[in-house]
Amino acid sequence: DQQVKQNSPSLSVQEGRISILNCDYTNSMFDYFLWYKKYPAEGPTFLISISSIKDKNEDGRFTVFLNKSAKHLSLHIVPSQPGDSAVYFCAASQYSSASKIIFGSGTRLSIRP
Amino acid sequence: EAGVAQSPRYKIIEKRQSVAFWCNPISGHATLYWYQQILGQGPKLLIQFQNNGVVDDSQLPKDRFSAERLKGVDSTLKIQPAKLEDSAVYLCASSAYRRSYEQYFGPGTRLTVT
Repeated sequence: DQQVKQNSPSLSVQEGRISILNCDYTNSMFDYFLWYKKYPAEGPTFLISISSIKDKNEDGRFTVFLNKSAKHLSLHIVPSQPGDSAVYFCAASQYSSASKIIFGSGTRLSIRP
Repeated sequence: EAGVAQSPRYKIIEKRQSVAFWCNPISGHATLYWYQQILGQGPKLLIQFQNNGVVDDSQLPKDRFSAERLKGVDSTLKIQPAKLEDSAVYLCASSAYRRSYEQYFGPGTRLTVT
């Protein structure tokens, strides 16, 4: 049972445009959501997070939006740059689970010139 | 600040053989995690340590997998005997404290079981 779903395995976006990565979750007990970024042959690195008490969190070019009623979150990257080409993992957690993180299957983002 | 170190980076073994992976977390990080990432999937938590005690090992196949974290620093993950379905990248991560969602990952060990 996949509790965190990323239905788009890949996404190609032109440099300078907006990249939108989507994620859905099924467990209504999740109260914290994260995005991790992974380059080939490296481990994932933390990118941005959002608590369930918020609906938006912004950090430079990266913004995460949370829609609790739809159990949906998205990551917006504006403007997209070549260095953003990577695999992006959506993840979710419950405070009561002592930081146990459930990851989605990832979306491979390619930024084309 | 040095990151999470893992070795070896790659390992190829035959089924039924045993294998061990090593992890050195970021200095001072009390919490250590082992994840399994099968191709095309996200990382799945196998075991979480707080210092040298186990917090969560609910998804660790205990009949063949074992892990230890002696002295609350380095950790080893062992598979014995290995199966074909154990082919995956094994990631180690650490965080500063137990309820930290920001985990720092090592580069992983890619295991191929033939």
